[in-house]
Formats: sequence, structure tokens, C-alpha cells
Amino acid sequence: EVHLVESGGGLVKPGGSLRLSCAASGFIFTSYSINWVRQAPGKGLEWVSSISSSSTYIYQADSVKGRFTISRDNAKNSVYLQMNILRAEDTAVYYCARDRGSWYADYWGQGTLVTVSS
Amino acid sequence: SYELTQPPSVSVSPGQTARITCSGDALPQKYPSWYQQKSGQAPVLVIYEGTKRPSGIPERFSGSSSGTMATLSISGAQADDESDYYCYSTDSSGSHRVFGGGTKLTVL
Repeated sequence: EVHLVESGGGLVKPGGSLRLSCAASGFIFTSYSINWVRQAPGKGLEWVSSISSSSTYIYQADSVKGRFTISRDNAKNSVYLQMNILRAEDTAVYYCARDRGSWYADYWGQGTLVTVSS
Repeated sequence: SYELTQPPSVSVSPGQTARITCSGDALPQKYPSWYQQKSGQAPVLVIYEGTKRPSGIPERFSGSSSGTMATLSISGAQADDESDYYCYSTDSSGSHRVFGGGTKLTVL
């Protein structure tokens, strides 16, 4: 069974940093791209970043470019999101999701909450 | 930046067909996927590649498209279908993914 489990969320001050992790199991991790998607309280879904299976292709939303970095460790079946220079508007539940070609995500984790506040 | 446009809300009577639209310039080439999200839960894929239904999703859910507009249809709407629905696709380059703003479906 496919499982994705996010961790690393919490409370951080504006300008601070946080690293999120996404641990995957139940599928051949090295065959899939992974996305990070976030949802601010009471708002819609926002795509954040994607990384291909071998890290060759990395894409980011303009809203996080230069501040967030996606990476993966295929030996650990994990994807990471390093978030720097955090702002109040980055407050959201962050989901990781398994990406399929043709722009769809078939499995999602339950999310981890990031709160940016002084 | 590329955008997908959805109506903020749609209402339907029980047993009727709900239709939720999503418009975007690249949709004729970049077929959308659709997600159902209930309050406090992670999104669930209900339609992919514009018209395909994952296993476990009822046949009541279907997808279609015409030009730059895609539609998620839910026939025989039930109270349990009340959720937020999002379309998702990419721009013409394939490098920037985007969600529609979401549509709140009310069954009443």
C-alpha cells in the first residue's frame, strides 16, 4: 500500500527556516516524481514544487523561488523541502504527493502544519 | 502567470447532476485532473487525464472538455459529495503546475 508521511512542521518566526520531510513507502520510489502542495488556512490548494525521480528536473512556484529548495534521497525513500526566509504568508498545511506524468497526483500524505508567526 | 479559473460555488439538488467547470488556455493540450477535498482531509484524486477515473471512484464522477474548458460532472449528487473540488494542470511549458481556485459544492 502506498504511504506518504510528512514531518517537520511547526512554529517558526518570520525570517526563520524549517525543513520538511516526506517519507514514502509501498511503491518503487525511484520511479516517481514527488510534489509539494500547500494550503493556507481557509484557502485553496497551491502547488509549491516538484522533483523528478532522479532529481534531474526541479520546478518551483514563483512564490517560493529563491527561498525554498526541494531535494530527495532515493536511498532513504524521502523527499525534503528546505524553507528559508519564511513569511507569514507561508503559513499552511504542506502536503507531499506522488506525481504521475500527465500532471496528476494519485497519492497524498496527510500533511504537516507550518505556522510562521512572531 | 498561468491560471485555472473555477466558479467559487455550485449548488445542486440531491439526485441531480452537478457540473463544475475549469477554464485555462493550455487545457486543450494539458488535460486536467480533479480532486475532492473534504474539510480537514487531504485531497483525493477523482479524475485524471481529463476523463479517466481511478479505481474506487464511483462511476457517478466523470470528466469532459471542450476547447479551453474542462468539466467535472457528478451525477445523482448525494449529501456525501459536498466538498471542495479543485482542477489541476500545467502551463504550456509543462514546468509550472497550477490548481484552480476551488469550487465548493453544496447539495441541498
